[in-house]
Amino acid sequence: DAGVIQSPRHEVTEMGQEVTLRCKPISGHDYLFWYRQTMMRGLELLIYFNNNVPIDDSGMPEDRFSAKMPNASFSTLKIQPSEPRDSAVYFCASRQIHASGGGGTYNEQFFGPGTRLTVL
Amino acid sequence: QQQVKQSPQSLIVQKGGISIINCAYENTAFDYFPWYQQFPGKGPALLIAIRPDVSEKKEGRFTISFNKSAKQFSLHIMDSQPGDSATYFCAAGAGSYQLTFGKGTKLSVIP
Repeated sequence: DAGVIQSPRHEVTEMGQEVTLRCKPISGHDYLFWYRQTMMRGLELLIYFNNNVPIDDSGMPEDRFSAKMPNASFSTLKIQPSEPRDSAVYFCASRQIHASGGGGTYNEQFFGPGTRLTVL
Repeated sequence: QQQVKQSPQSLIVQKGGISIINCAYENTAFDYFPWYQQFPGKGPALLIAIRPDVSEKKEGRFTISFNKSAKQFSLHIMDSQPGDSATYFCAAGAGSYQLTFGKGTKLSVIP
């Protein structure tokens, strides 16, 4: 399996432009997460989906951010219009549950390589 | 109550030494505590995880110690190697499938 795939890896845009980040989760995973990582705030959860349905978008910073998951193999995060303070690394992750040695289950999230967004 | 506090922010350890990173949480509903490792230019990857029914879990040179009453857990890296230099994140999850992450610790292991 190729793992979680994100594109583009780097995006440089000017303030006010629309930005679309793309994610292909690992096949068979039923949850998809979008995170934003900055030095100041660390790793923040923006939104997550279960079976393509948005479950919690309370981490989306404002209405300029939107996310969709039209099918099980594709999701987008859109920023319109973009602002310099949106500059960050955006990660997509998908989830697998697997059994632990103690009889319980673990909830492992697999992260993509991230998209480094720079808004000038 | 959702916060996970991680310390230190950065850590320098000599090769062969023990690296220790600490995390504390408030939400008693958390029941899953993973540690993620992130190398520059890469996404975080699961390193080791523990549930609160055990006080310690060891995988190779990596050990999680968990103190339920103190609401603290820590990562110990024994015989630290330069290849362990990375940023480490603790996290906590409860019921739902989202995780709350600590701010991260940048570990540098010097020869």
